Amino acid sequence: RKEVEQDPGPFNVPEGATVAFNCTYSNSASQSFFWYRQDCRKEPKLLMSVYSSGNEDGRFTAQLNRASQYISLLIRDSKLSDSATYLCVVNSLNDYKLSFGAGTTVTVRA
Amino acid sequence: DAGVTQSPTHLIKTRGQQVTLRCSPISGHKSVSWYQQVLGQGPQFIFQYYEKEERGRGNFPDRFSARQFPNYSSELNVNALLLGDSALYLCASSLQTGGDGQFFGPGTRLTVL
Repeated sequence: RKEVEQDPGPFNVPEGATVAFNCTYSNSASQSFFWYRQDCRKEPKLLMSVYSSGNEDGRFTAQLNRASQYISLLIRDSKLSDSATYLCVVNSLNDYKLSFGAGTTVTVRA
Repeated sequence: DAGVTQSPTHLIKTRGQQVTLRCSPISGHKSVSWYQQVLGQGPQFIFQYYEKEERGRGNFPDRFSARQFPNYSSELNVNALLLGDSALYLCASSLQTGGDGQFFGPGTRLTVL
């Protein structure tokens, strides 16, 4: 079983729409959770950390459900510039690596 | 401030050859991690170095090796290249060891023919 699993999509949405997607993680010892954004042929960039209480950053809202071991990302009022692959990332206490999902592709159309 | 830099940006090699990839971390960062990203997948952890010592190793064969220099820059070496080594190789730097606070460089795209 993969450490982090994501729906690959693609999610194809019109501008202004709301899009949401989840990822699940297998290691119950995971302590830190992140969403990274990756544009085509570019490096991943940190979008936001995910906290137990949930958190917002502008149009982006992340939620964590430790009991069910899933993380969600919601994008409101989608912009064309939100088109990218969103990578779900987890890290365990005292672990050296970030564990990445394969990514969810979002395409926002005009 | 400069971000993480990697060289070269692109590289083409043939099977059996050896390759060396280079990474310079963000100023002040002492930890460097290497990841391999194959097309259509997320990055996979290869190594982490902190203060010139290997702190973590992923599930990669011994053909993969790395080192970190006194100025905290790092090299990733891959011997006896296989077609399956074709990937984007990403370097990430962070202040401390561990998974938090990693910032990625633009990567080196390796093609093995």
